[in-house]
Amino acid sequence: QVQLVQSGAEVKKPGASVKVSCKASGYTFTSYGISWVRQAPGQGLEWMGWISAYNGNTNYAQKLQGRVTMTTDTSTSTAYMELRSLRSDDTAVYYCARVTWTGRSFDYWGQGTLVTVSS
Amino acid sequence: DIVMTQTPLSLSVTPGQPASISCKSSQSLLHSDGKTYLYWYLQKPGQSPQLLIYEVSSRFSGVPDRFSGSGSGTDFTLKISRVEAEDVGVYYCMQGIHLPPTFGPGTKVDIK
Repeated sequence: QVQLVQSGAEVKKPGASVKVSCKASGYTFTSYGISWVRQAPGQGLEWMGWISAYNGNTNYAQKLQGRVTMTTDTSTSTAYMELRSLRSDDTAVYYCARVTWTGRSFDYWGQGTLVTVSS
Repeated sequence: DIVMTQTPLSLSVTPGQPASISCKSSQSLLHSDGKTYLYWYLQKPGQSPQLLIYEVSSRFSGVPDRFSGSGSGTDFTLKISRVEAEDVGVYYCMQGIHLPPTFGPGTKVDIK
């Protein structure tokens, strides 16, 4: 069965960076993309960007351009999301999700990683 | 960006009764390929979102048939024919026709 298992919760200070991992199993990793979606406390869902696990092509949300980098390691079927220059409003649960074959939505999601940014 | 709106924002339902959620988009979600890229997700309390409906009306694997989706263009509806206790949570519609994908604000469903 398809599973996406994310790394554990993080606490960071403003200005620091965080790198969240997402290990995939149960399918051919390079056949699908991975998107990252975040959810601030008590808020809705915000798409951050996506990466093709096939060729590494990326597309980032405009508001995060320059602060976010998404990568994959095909040898371990793991996707990574790094967010730099953290601010308090980056406090959120970060989800990875498998992009469907149409490239238009997300079918399986990780369990989420809480990133807290606090001085 | 395409703006997604949902009504109502909260809904309290008696078990066994039907429920309906409306979703509207600021632009048509009908693609030139003939598909309409509108999706429904359910986020149960303390869990990750899960895909319920894709491309307006197709149920995702394992989704009970009491869930159905309909609509076209900019107006869409999710219906639950008979609400069960396990259906509580926040329902989100999402558009996938244009980047960035955008979600509605969510409709919180609870049980009376």
